[in-house]
Amino acid sequence: KQEVTQIPAALSVPEGENLVLNCSFTDSAIYNLQWFRQDPGKGLTSLLLIQSSQREQTSGRLNASLDKSSGRSTLYIAASQPGDSATYLCAVRLSGNKLVFGAGTILRVKS
Amino acid sequence: GAVVSQHPSWVICKSGTSVKIECRSLDFQATTMFWYRQFPKQSLMLMATSNEGSKATYEQGVEKDKFLINHASLTLSTLTVTSAHPEDSSFYICSARAGVNYGYTFGSGTRLTVV
Repeated sequence: KQEVTQIPAALSVPEGENLVLNCSFTDSAIYNLQWFRQDPGKGLTSLLLIQSSQREQTSGRLNASLDKSSGRSTLYIAASQPGDSATYLCAVRLSGNKLVFGAGTILRVKS
Repeated sequence: GAVVSQHPSWVICKSGTSVKIECRSLDFQATTMFWYRQFPKQSLMLMATSNEGSKATYEQGVEKDKFLINHASLTLSTLTVTSAHPEDSSFYICSARAGVNYGYTFGSGTRLTVV
């Protein structure tokens, strides 16, 4: 059974810091991995999608890497801003279109 | 592109009544849509996979007679919570994928409160 773990569970940093969120999964047989952002009481916003054949993806201040063999992904946020405060979720896609989510990292960026 | 619209964003209903939640793909066709439930401060739990023109596939432990799913067209799936009880109060989110190589797009969610 695929399990996805996110570390840390919560993170509080001052504005401007670079930070790394970690995601690990137990079964390397994934199609892709997707990072999402969720604001309180809202749906999920897709940030980055990494196919299983890719090593990383970048969008603006965000960079996500994938090491499928070791079952790890990291989301790097550069020059964090208060507007980055949210819960960040990673999810791996299995066969049959199923997504398995981690529990998320609650990020707070202080101004 | 790849926008999923979910309605309503919140609803309050009385115990014993039924509530319908709609999920629409606005700029793409989705033969498959997914319904999730999220408890406070927890991650998303897949409830069922909605298949256009056929029966939904429910995850283990999810009552299909309780959570009725209809996927009548390529752009609309509905989730009906029947005979709602307070324990059904939760945040429900739908998602769909625009194509094989696309990621998943999620609706904005529906906060259901049963009183």
